[in-house]
Amino acid sequence: GENVEQHPSTLSVQEGDSAVIKCTYSDSASNYFPWYKQELGKRPQLIIDIRSNVGEKKDQRIAVTLNKTAKHFSLHITETQPEDSAVYFCAAPGPNSGYALNFGKGTSLLVTP
Amino acid sequence: EAQVTQNPRYLITVTGKKLTVTCSQNMNHEYMSWYRQDPGLGLRQIYYSMNVEVTDKGDVPEGYKVSRKEKRNFPLILESPSPNQTSLYFCASSSKTSGAWNTGELFFGEGSRLTVL
Repeated sequence: GENVEQHPSTLSVQEGDSAVIKCTYSDSASNYFPWYKQELGKRPQLIIDIRSNVGEKKDQRIAVTLNKTAKHFSLHITETQPEDSAVYFCAAPGPNSGYALNFGKGTSLLVTP
Repeated sequence: EAQVTQNPRYLITVTGKKLTVTCSQNMNHEYMSWYRQDPGLGLRQIYYSMNVEVTDKGDVPEGYKVSRKEKRNFPLILESPSPNQTSLYFCASSSKTSGAWNTGELFFGEGSRLTVL
């Protein structure tokens, strides 16, 4: 959706390195920020999400940080592995309705051995 | 098994021939939505539904219709398909809302690849 911008569109890292994907949103009232992973030929699946009352959330090798003042949130993947290769989408609700969940255009991550 | 089921998975049709893509979920979710996925454009929301008989437009509703007569079903209707509707379509559902916000995990169907000649 137009209210969510995602960068970069492609990202290539070596196995073991970290990867960071950033998203910005326009609706300051947005309060929920999920990240989805889509492997080639598969459906998108939720990997982590964060709500506006916290600044960071971690789940093993992945973490999401949120800066509400700047209206951006980021996905961090540490110790990347080849199976992390996929397209990652961020999302945020709004701006016209909190029920409308808008996605960024996606980041194609390639982890090379 | 909890799932979102779409049909057909693949369809080739011709301009102007009405078609319906069905979507059904067995998780008793209130929220359902349709997205289209195109290269370089990500997932764009077509329509969504907060509950039975309650639907609203997403970012790209032109050329599509939906209905939500039952909680489990949310069909996508293309009254007169055109080549620019060639795309991969995903139906999704979720259970959680926090007031006026959708804050739940979206469960996606496997996708329906539509080609309009």
